[in-house]
Amino acid sequence: SQTIHQWPATLVQPVGSPLSLECTVEGTSNPNLYWYRQAAGRGLQLLFYSVGIGQISSEVPQNLSASRPQDRQFILSSKKLLLSDSGFYLCAWRYRGPLHFGNGTRLTVT
Amino acid sequence: AQRVTQPEKLLSVFKGAPVELKCNYSYSGSPELFWYVQYSRQRLQLLLRHISRESIKGFTADLNKGETSFHLKKPFAQEEDSAMYYCALSGTYKYIFGTGTRLKVLA
Repeated sequence: SQTIHQWPATLVQPVGSPLSLECTVEGTSNPNLYWYRQAAGRGLQLLFYSVGIGQISSEVPQNLSASRPQDRQFILSSKKLLLSDSGFYLCAWRYRGPLHFGNGTRLTVT
Repeated sequence: AQRVTQPEKLLSVFKGAPVELKCNYSYSGSPELFWYVQYSRQRLQLLLRHISRESIKGFTADLNKGETSFHLKKPFAQEEDSAMYYCALSGTYKYIFGTGTRLKVLA
C-alpha cells in the first residue's frame, strides 16, 4: 500500500534562517506531488506541484522554493524565512485519482 | 482560470436537519471534483468524488455543469459530521481547493 511521510511535525525557526521540509512517498511510482499551505479562513493554498523529477510548477511567487531530486521525494525550502511564512504545510501525492495527504508540518517563524 | 468558491465559512445546523454545503467552480475544460473532510486532529481525507456518484456517510454531491456547482448534501445531519469540509477541483495536473466550510452539528 502507498504511504506518505512528512517531517518534521513541528518546527520553530527564527526570521532569516533557512528552511527545509521533506516529503517522501512509498508504494507508488511517478506520482504527482504537491505542497500546500493551510491557513484558517484561506483554505488550502497550492504552493507547488511536480509531475516528474526536476519538474516544478510554482503557483504563488513568494519566499519559498521546491525541488524534486528523486521520483518520490519532494522538498520545500527557503533561504531566509519571513514571519509571514508561518503556517501549516501539507504535502500530498496523487496518481490518477484523489489526493493523499501527509500529516503536515506546523512552522512557526519567530 | 481555475477557481473553487465555498461561500460559507461556517454552517451550523441541528442534529437531524438537512445539510447543504455549497461549492461553485470555474474551469474551462472538463473538471474532476471532490469533497474532502477534516475531522478534529485528523488528516485531511477524501469524502466524495463526482465520477463515483456514490454516497459516503450519507453524503451525496451532484455535479451541475450548467450552474458550475458541486454542492454537498445530507438529509439528516449527525453530530459526528461536525468537521471542516473542502471542495476541490482537479484539472490536468493542478489540484485546487476552496476556502472550506466548517460544519457544526448541534445537539
